[in-house]
Amino acid sequence: TQLLEQSPQFLSIQEGENLTVYCNSSSVFSSLQWYRQEPGEGPVLLVTVVTGGEVKKLKRLTFQFGDARKDSSLHITAAQPGDTGLYLCAGEKNTDKLIFGTGTRLQVFP
Amino acid sequence: GAGVSQSPSNKVTEKGKDVELRCDPISGHTALYWYRQRLGQGLEFLIYFQGNSAPDKSGLPSDRFSAERTGESVSTLTIQRTQQEDSAVYLCASSLYGTVTQYFGPGTRLTVL
Repeated sequence: TQLLEQSPQFLSIQEGENLTVYCNSSSVFSSLQWYRQEPGEGPVLLVTVVTGGEVKKLKRLTFQFGDARKDSSLHITAAQPGDTGLYLCAGEKNTDKLIFGTGTRLQVFP
Repeated sequence: GAGVSQSPSNKVTEKGKDVELRCDPISGHTALYWYRQRLGQGLEFLIYFQGNSAPDKSGLPSDRFSAERTGESVSTLTIQRTQQEDSAVYLCASSLYGTVTQYFGPGTRLTVL
């Protein structure tokens, strides 16, 4: 059973455009992470959010954790080809296990 | 320092054969995870080791799948009598005790013909 649904599943945009990826669940999480995975590699952590309503910025990336800690969003401003990859959200429920989302594949064309 | 390493990077096998995939975690990381990733999809949890505790095998899809870990080091994922639906990338990750950040290896791409 997939507890974390991401949307959209695929996103293909031109360089310079803005985009938002959503990660939704009916479950409450203690913390939520976002990872990016490039072809042929394993996922790499981008950010961890732990407080409901928390907003974190990483250069052109803005991450938000929902007030109820059930959902999260990732907004990219002025996307670049280097942002291309598979974006995965992952929730943690006070265990050492992460529940990964369904993934959003982003392609940014120059 | 060295990251998580996995071997082989690619494995092609025939249906019905057994395969072993290896993972070397980051030194000092007590937790080790195995995931399966089908083409273009998210990660499917398989098994989790934490120190000397009994492993969490709740994600193993069938009794053809098993994994072992030697102490807090190397782990081997074994798939017996492989089927075509086992074709996927198998990812290993490790983490420090009490933290949730996982560090992933590059994966082993398994193709079952």
